[in-house]
Amino acid sequence: DIQMTQSPSSLTASVGDRVTITCRASQSISSYLNWYQQKPGKVPKLLIYAASSLQSGVPSGFSGSGSGTDFSLTISSLQPEDFATYYCQQSYSPPLTFGGGTKVEIK
Amino acid sequence: EVQLLESGGGLVQPGGSLRLSCAASGFTFSNYAMSWVRQAPGKGPEWVSAISGSGSTYYTGSVKGRFTISRDNSRNTLYLQMNSLRAEDTAIYHCARGGIATHFDDWGQGTLVTVSS
Repeated sequence: DIQMTQSPSSLTASVGDRVTITCRASQSISSYLNWYQQKPGKVPKLLIYAASSLQSGVPSGFSGSGSGTDFSLTISSLQPEDFATYYCQQSYSPPLTFGGGTKVEIK
Repeated sequence: EVQLLESGGGLVQPGGSLRLSCAASGFTFSNYAMSWVRQAPGKGPEWVSAISGSGSTYYTGSVKGRFTISRDNSRNTLYLQMNSLRAEDTAIYHCARGGIATHFDDWGQGTLVTVSS
């Protein structure tokens, strides 16, 4: 199974900060990497697919990069509505696996 | 608008069975792979199973031999037959549009499965 390791597991930041979350796969997954945002009591929302493609309707302040084993999600200027938990997920090979999550909290 | 509506969850004893359904609308169901993704209380999402539009199936290791995914393209409905249920299967089960080599771009609100004596 492909293990997905996210870091950090949590972070505290202020509105307006630039935030980067990283995700590492235990083997190469090409660009089959997706990012989701989840708020309490809500279902996960797709932000980025195929490592760097912005899902329709997602603000342009979100961006993704990487390929192979190392990936990142960047929020260019943190907004109040961005405080949530973020998950990476590989769709390269079953079993499909998620990272452990990064909780972004307000400073 | 894509809509995914799960049903069939509930309280079941260990070793019992449940059949989940997911009614899909707003898109051409047969053209898409579909998945079941579960989330235990306070935990992250865990992919359970996927089925391609043509019926190829995939499972995570902990449910192989116990769960069976299927679809009825004429009824736009996805199913998950769950047998030999264990306490660790307790979670909200979501159906999601997407599968292998794609992404989960739409999710249902989920149905709660509780396995307890």
